[in-house]
Amino acid sequence: NAGVMQNPRHLVRRRGQEARLRCSPMKGHSHVYWYRQLPEEGLKFMVYLQKENIIDESGMPKERFSAEFPKEGPSILRIQQVVRGDSAAYFCASSAVGGNTEAFFGQGTRLTVV
Amino acid sequence: ELKVEQNPLFLSMQEGKNYTIYCNYSTTSDRLYWYRQDPGKSLESLFVLLSNGAVKQEGRLMASLDTKARLSTLHITAAVHDLSATYFCAVANPGNTPLVFGKGTRLSVIA
Repeated sequence: NAGVMQNPRHLVRRRGQEARLRCSPMKGHSHVYWYRQLPEEGLKFMVYLQKENIIDESGMPKERFSAEFPKEGPSILRIQQVVRGDSAAYFCASSAVGGNTEAFFGQGTRLTVV
Repeated sequence: ELKVEQNPLFLSMQEGKNYTIYCNYSTTSDRLYWYRQDPGKSLESLFVLLSNGAVKQEGRLMASLDTKARLSTLHITAAVHDLSATYFCAVANPGNTPLVFGKGTRLSVIA
């Protein structure tokens, strides 16, 4: 049973480009969470999704960021027109049951904007 | 709004010594998690604490939860170099909301 899979592991984008980060949850998990980690900081919640639904996006910036979790395929975190301040590690976690149950984390995608 | 504070944020300790990391949180919660993160790696779940007075131990690490004081501790006994990592506590808001993380404690165990 593979764990939470994120790709790519490392992503470099120039300012103004788009970044697409993918997350495949653990088998049997239908709840996905995205977190952002800045250097020397803890993880900040961004968005919580269930299949085809956004449950809580209170941590998402209002502009340029979007997330989806389609019926088929991985969850996608999309950042349009990236800026240097978007450079961070983005972690995805999944759980079998929603809310504050234990979630399992992927390896993260480290985004660098140059 | 739930806030989670850890201290210390940085900890350098000698091998063989004992120390405690503290995690305070600001509102009622019924579960608390401790995670370990190695540099450039993901988060590894260490402990899940579900009730007041809960104590869990794994090797040289022991975690406890006092829900009345809104405090959890992670105690390290006879530290070894392999324990060097960043340790995060994460607290669950009541209801259907995701975890709130502390800033982490970066532990360095030196000979």
